[in-house]
Amino acid sequence: DAGVTQSPTHLIKTRGQHVTLRCSPISGHKSVSWYQQVLGQGPQFIFQYYEKEERGRGNFPDRFSARQFPNYSSELNVNALLLGDSALYLCASSLGGLSGNTIYFGEGSWLTVV
Amino acid sequence: DQQVKQNSPSLSVQEGRISILNCDYTNSMFDYFLWYKKYPAEGPTFLISISSIKDKNEDGRFTVFLNKSAKHLSLHIVPSQPGDSAVYFCAASAKDSNYQLIWGAGTKLIIKP
Repeated sequence: DAGVTQSPTHLIKTRGQHVTLRCSPISGHKSVSWYQQVLGQGPQFIFQYYEKEERGRGNFPDRFSARQFPNYSSELNVNALLLGDSALYLCASSLGGLSGNTIYFGEGSWLTVV
Repeated sequence: DQQVKQNSPSLSVQEGRISILNCDYTNSMFDYFLWYKKYPAEGPTFLISISSIKDKNEDGRFTVFLNKSAKHLSLHIVPSQPGDSAVYFCAASAKDSNYQLIWGAGTKLIIKP
């Protein structure tokens, strides 16, 4: 069974550009979350989607947006990129629902903004 | 305001001995706790979890202990193996925040041969 898959794995963008990161959850998982991780810190929560509805949003500016599609895959969009957006962007999936679920991570997308 | 704290940035342990990784939290509403392991350039890998209704959960070489009164959890790895060298993150979640995970900063575990 495929795990959480993310694309692209690495990319370089210029300040001011826009980026779209993609994620496919584990089959049967209905919840997708996005995290940003910079070196030396734990992942920081950006968004959570469940059944195509936004369930939570972390402390990130409006330049960050996301959506979940009917097949439960998800996109994270970041506009007007800043140097500080350089990080590992992690997508995670879980069954969802209203009980504590284990979330499983993809390998991440390394974004470098120059 | 760090709700989940891992106060040891790194830990060095002899191969074959016990590794103990610690995590403290402040939010008494947390009711589900997880440990993840992360190698460089990879996404975190789930290791073990514990619900607040338990005080211990064991899976092979990994055991997680939860002390709710002290708001403290720990991960024990016995015996430690070279492949255990990685960064370990603890994370916590609460029903009233839709189980969004709040993460510690991680502890780098180094297993010495």
